[in-house]
Order: sequence, then structure tokens, then C-alpha cells
Amino acid sequence: NAGVTQTPKFRVLKTGQSMTLLCAQDMNHEYMYWYRQDPGMGLRLIHYSVGEGTTAKGEVPDGYNVSRLKKQNFLLGLESAAPSQTSVYFCASSGQGLAGSSYEQYFGPGTRLTVT
Amino acid sequence: QKEVEQDPGPLSVPEGAIVSLNCTYSNSAFQYFMWYRQYSRKGPELLMYTYSSGNKEDGRFTAQVDKSSKYISLFIRDSQPSDSATYLCAMRGRGGSNYKLTFGKGTLLTVNP
Repeated sequence: NAGVTQTPKFRVLKTGQSMTLLCAQDMNHEYMYWYRQDPGMGLRLIHYSVGEGTTAKGEVPDGYNVSRLKKQNFLLGLESAAPSQTSVYFCASSGQGLAGSSYEQYFGPGTRLTVT
Repeated sequence: QKEVEQDPGPLSVPEGAIVSLNCTYSNSAFQYFMWYRQYSRKGPELLMYTYSSGNKEDGRFTAQVDKSSKYISLFIRDSQPSDSATYLCAMRGRGGSNYKLTFGKGTLLTVNP
């Protein structure tokens, strides 16, 4: 099992450019999450999904969009990147708390994004 | 008051020391408590998981929850240089709608050989 994988690992964007970050999980988890991690701010939830075709806003959703067309994939989009979006982005997945599945979140390795 | 408070450190100890990492929280609905370890430039990995009050031991690691004081701790015995990482506490409530985690900001630990 690869667990949670993220693509790309690094990216540099110019202000105003767009990009999509891809998260994939092979644990058959229902729930998936996107976080950003900044020095002194900890992990902050951007968007999350409780199942294929569903998405919801987290703590800091502005400037980001997401899609969950397939259960195993969760995409995070930046339509017009801003320097304030320079951060490390982590994807995570979890089960839904039913028998044999827990809510514990498993994280990917992260994507380091710099917006100049 | 933030929901979860965690001293960011940094904390520097000699190899073999006992390390104590702590978080306090304000939301009495939190029932599940986790500790994640994050090595530099890596994703967080789940280290310990406890439900409600009490202790849980796993090798050199002990997680302790005191719900009456809204205080959780992670103890590391015989600390090793490989324990050098940022440790994040996380917690959530009970029930089907409480799947989102609330994280502390993390404590940076360095264990010196």
C-alpha cells in the first residue's frame, strides 16, 4: 500500500497562475482533507470531503477549490495564485468510524508551493 | 482562547532524557486524543491514539489524558536522536459528525547525542 500520495512535491508559481494539486489514497477511505501548514500557524483545514462527489469548506477555504470525482482522488485547485498561498499543503484521508474503519487521519508527504 | 494550546518550544534534551510534551484544550466535548510525529519536510504520522481519560503505553511512549483538567501529555522515555521531530497533538469529539480534528501548533523537539 502506498497510503496517501501527493503530486507534485514542489512547485513555484507566479502570481496569477493556476495549478492543481492531486491527492490519491489506496486505503478505500471515505473522508479526505486538504490542509495548509505555515510556520507558527499549525495545520489549518482548507476543504474536506465525506465521500465521492461531495466537498465542504474548512477553516481557510478562500482562494481554493476542490473536487472529488473519484473516491480515491481529491484535487485542490488554485485559480489565481497569490503570495499568501505560499505554504506546505498536506492531504489526509480517514475512514468513517464504522466497523473496521476509524476516523484517524493518515497524511501524505506534502507539496511545497511557492508563489512569487 | 484557542481551542487547543501547545507550547511550540523548541525543546532540546540530551539523549536518554525523559521528555514531556503537553497540550491543553478548552472544548469539553473532545473525547479522542492523538499525537502525531512530523519529521522535517515530511507529513505528520499518527503516533498515539487514546479515548477519554487514562494512560496508554506503546514502547517508550506513554500518552496520558486528564479530562478533568483538560490536559494531555506525551512522555518519551530514553529519548533517542531519532525522536527529533515536531510533535502535534490533535483531538475530536465523539459521534458521526465529529470526524474533523483540531490540532495544536506543534512542539519542536531535538534530542542531542
